[in-house]
Amino acid sequence: KAGVTQTPRYLIKTRGQQVTLSCSPISGHRSVSWYQQTPGQGLQFLFEYFSETQRNKGNFPGRFSGRQFSNSRSEMNVSTLELGDSALYLCASSLVPGGTDTQYFGPGTRLTVL
Amino acid sequence: AQSVAQPEDQVNVAEGNPLTVKCTYSVSGNPYPFWYVQYPNRGLQFLLKYITGDNLVKGSYGFEAEFNKSQTSFHLKKPSALVSDSALYFCAVRDRETGANNLFFGTGTRLTVIP
Repeated sequence: KAGVTQTPRYLIKTRGQQVTLSCSPISGHRSVSWYQQTPGQGLQFLFEYFSETQRNKGNFPGRFSGRQFSNSRSEMNVSTLELGDSALYLCASSLVPGGTDTQYFGPGTRLTVL
Repeated sequence: AQSVAQPEDQVNVAEGNPLTVKCTYSVSGNPYPFWYVQYPNRGLQFLLKYITGDNLVKGSYGFEAEFNKSQTSFHLKKPSALVSDSALYFCAVRDRETGANNLFFGTGTRLTVIP
């Protein structure tokens, strides 16, 4: 079974631009979560989607948004990019949200903001 | 709120020796603990988790972890380290009571296995 895939793997943008990242979960997984990884802040939770609904959101500004489609694929969008948005963005999928279910991570999208 | 502590930023161990990577977490509803590993330029790979039962959990690649409820710890162990185990290890917890799916991560421990 194919793992979590994320596209693109690398992105370079300039301040003020916006960016859209894509995540395809493992087949059959309906829950998708997004995390931001930076050297300074570590791994931080962005948001989680299940059945096309946002269930939970981390402490990030409104410039960060996401959505989930009926096939469970998810996108996240960052508008008005800032230098501090440079990070590895990780997507994780699980069968259902919560409990003991394991989240499986994709390889990430490395975003560089110049 | 949950918080996860990995007290060692770096752990060095000789190949063939046992290794331990420590993790403790704050108690708020007895969360589920997990371990993940990250290799360079890769995402996180799941190693193991504690659900219930035996306090010694066996996971992928020969790793195991010891769950201690009273000390709220979930230390990662391996009897004999390999050079290929060198990577960044993250402990994480998920809230058991709220039903939220998100994981709270520690800051990571870089493991270096010396040949």
